[in-house]
Amino acid sequence: GAGVSQTPSNKVTEKGKYVELRCDPISGHTALYWYRQSLGQGPEFLIYFQGTGAADDSGLPNDRFFAVRPEGSVSTLKIQRTERGDSAVYLCASSVQGMNTEAFFGQGTRLTVV
Amino acid sequence: AQSVTQLDSHVSVSEGTPVLLRCNYSSSYSPSLFWYVQHPNKGLQLLLKYTSAATLVKGINGFEAEFKKSETSFHLTKPSAHMSDAAEYFCVVSDPFTSGTYKYIFGTGTRLKVLA
Repeated sequence: GAGVSQTPSNKVTEKGKYVELRCDPISGHTALYWYRQSLGQGPEFLIYFQGTGAADDSGLPNDRFFAVRPEGSVSTLKIQRTERGDSAVYLCASSVQGMNTEAFFGQGTRLTVV
Repeated sequence: AQSVTQLDSHVSVSEGTPVLLRCNYSSSYSPSLFWYVQHPNKGLQLLLKYTSAATLVKGINGFEAEFKKSETSFHLTKPSAHMSDAAEYFCVVSDPFTSGTYKYIFGTGTRLKVLA
């Protein structure tokens, strides 16, 4: 497809379980971002990849959160030992690298931890 | 550090009247600025972006924003609201010279309600 694709669209998991969220960016976009959006809030930055490497992971809230992008395309956000406070919509975006470039967002994965 | 403040969490206007959504930013250098819109159950869509070429930026669906460096503002306007404009609007700043990366910092959002 032409846009950023995120799977699954919805995920319900039990507290303490491990989850993986997947992002397929737009082909050719070298920059990839993960954000978290809680109800009534703006998206909160988590991590930014340039190619395969994490150029900025300053937004990851703690060491339960980890993300990879092994081949510089698809990325996976991994959350260990999930907590109820992790419930949110997780957004992925991609862009062409550079100043003033637009980030294209996926529809998000709604994670609910029960 | 870079940050964005959206001054109104909710704005209500009547259909056909002007829209003003306010945004102030904090950045130590010349930032990139964006407005995104989020309709219910839809993804974020870019309305417009400031690229330093012109201070008055025109976007999609009749929206405009003016970059005012002296006031550190980037307010979003539209002359005449339409029912379909009802959505959540986010002001976004990106300042790689300050942060060292191209990450986007979002404001908390303004929910626009359009009354018939």
